[in-house]
Amino acid sequence: AQSVAQPEDQVNVAEGNPLTVKCTYSVSGNPYLFWYVQYPNRGLQFLLKYITGDNLVKGSYGFEAEFNKSQTSFHLKKPSALVSDSALYFCAVDNYGQNFVFGPGTRLSVLP
Amino acid sequence: DGGITQSPKYLFRKEGQNVTLSCEQNLNHDAMYWYRQDPGQGLRLIYYSQIVNDFQKGDIAEGYSVSREKKESFPLTVTSAQKNPTAFYLCASSPEGLAGAITDTQYFGPGTRLTVL
Repeated sequence: AQSVAQPEDQVNVAEGNPLTVKCTYSVSGNPYLFWYVQYPNRGLQFLLKYITGDNLVKGSYGFEAEFNKSQTSFHLKKPSALVSDSALYFCAVDNYGQNFVFGPGTRLSVLP
Repeated sequence: DGGITQSPKYLFRKEGQNVTLSCEQNLNHDAMYWYRQDPGQGLRLIYYSQIVNDFQKGDIAEGYSVSREKKESFPLTVTSAQKNPTAFYLCASSPEGLAGAITDTQYFGPGTRLTVL
């Protein structure tokens, strides 16, 4: 069965420092990978996705993610964190013709 | 403005009562989805609909029912058979259904927080 893991429940980072939110997946074939962000009491917002091509994907709000097929990972990154980036981040996998599977989420806190 | 709306934002229900959550989209999307979010468990798919008058069960459909009489609307009913209904419910839509959703991004509504008293 396909699954998505986000090994860290919580990530704390100081404002201005680089941030990484980790995601690994277990699916057969070539999955399509997504990152979504959820601000307090809000729905999810799309950040970026990887379908094919360049392993480094750039998305909204200065975020980027790197697809690593050998490590089955799709870590979310940002060179310089902002306090306003504090939110809940979800990694998701869409295996063609199958369910859209979300990870459990990672709460990011950016400290001023 | 195009988007997805969910109402109400907060909903309280007594045990044993059915309750219906509204989801409307004006994005002209074919597919719509209902997810349930619980702390530490991410999102779990309840039901999805790829086209009007058709819907399929997701991973946790027991105790829930849906209808898709119009393209724009996909209401979710939480029935008294749902043993643990207190949760945050998210509705989403995408231009194509799961079978054709090779690259489709899902667009989410703001959510409804249901509390059973």
